[in-house]
Amino acid sequence: NAGVTQTPKFQVLKTGQSMTLQCAQDMNHNSMYWYRQDPGMGLRLIYYSASEGTTDKGEVPNGYNVSRLNKREFSLRLESAAPSQTSVYFCASSAGGSWPGELFFGEGSRLTVL
Amino acid sequence: RKEVEQDPGPFNVPEGATVAFNCTYSNSASQSFFWYRQDCRKEPKLLMSVYSSGNEDGRFTAQLNRASQYISLLIRDSKLSDSATYLCVVNGDNYGQNFVFGPGTRLSVLP
Repeated sequence: NAGVTQTPKFQVLKTGQSMTLQCAQDMNHNSMYWYRQDPGMGLRLIYYSASEGTTDKGEVPNGYNVSRLNKREFSLRLESAAPSQTSVYFCASSAGGSWPGELFFGEGSRLTVL
Repeated sequence: RKEVEQDPGPFNVPEGATVAFNCTYSNSASQSFFWYRQDCRKEPKLLMSVYSSGNEDGRFTAQLNRASQYISLLIRDSKLSDSATYLCVVNGDNYGQNFVFGPGTRLSVLP
């Protein structure tokens, strides 16, 4: 069972470079999320997609864009990477709807911006 | 004030000990509550949901006090495999779009 798959697992960028983190889930979930995790900060929501065709900003959206390509896939793009975006990024999904249920996470993508 | 706060930790306990984690939340309208477990350099995974009446799953007991906006997790008879970071998670509305994570409390169970 694949669950939530995100790529790449590791990436090193130079300031100003762009990249896209890919995420796919095979659980037929409606809702998908992108979080970042920094030491002592907990997970913070960057963007989420309540359902196919919709996206909304979370707590820390600046410097990021997202695309809900279809029900399975939700990508996160950094247009011009900055050192402050060095973090561990987690994609997650949930069934959505009126009961939030369980969040299922991918294994994480460790990004370093030099 | 952070929306979800937890004991700063780390907690270092011997095998077999009982350990309790505390969590407070600021949004009185919060609807649902969870404990997640995160192993070092891994993704978070759901440990248990927290219900108003309190609930137990084996060695783990979760309690919710809505009046005090307080959640707890009790681990009895700690095992080495319980070593992890425990994340308190609060959902602030009915529609599942606002999971707020606490910073986590790290537990090390020592032989």
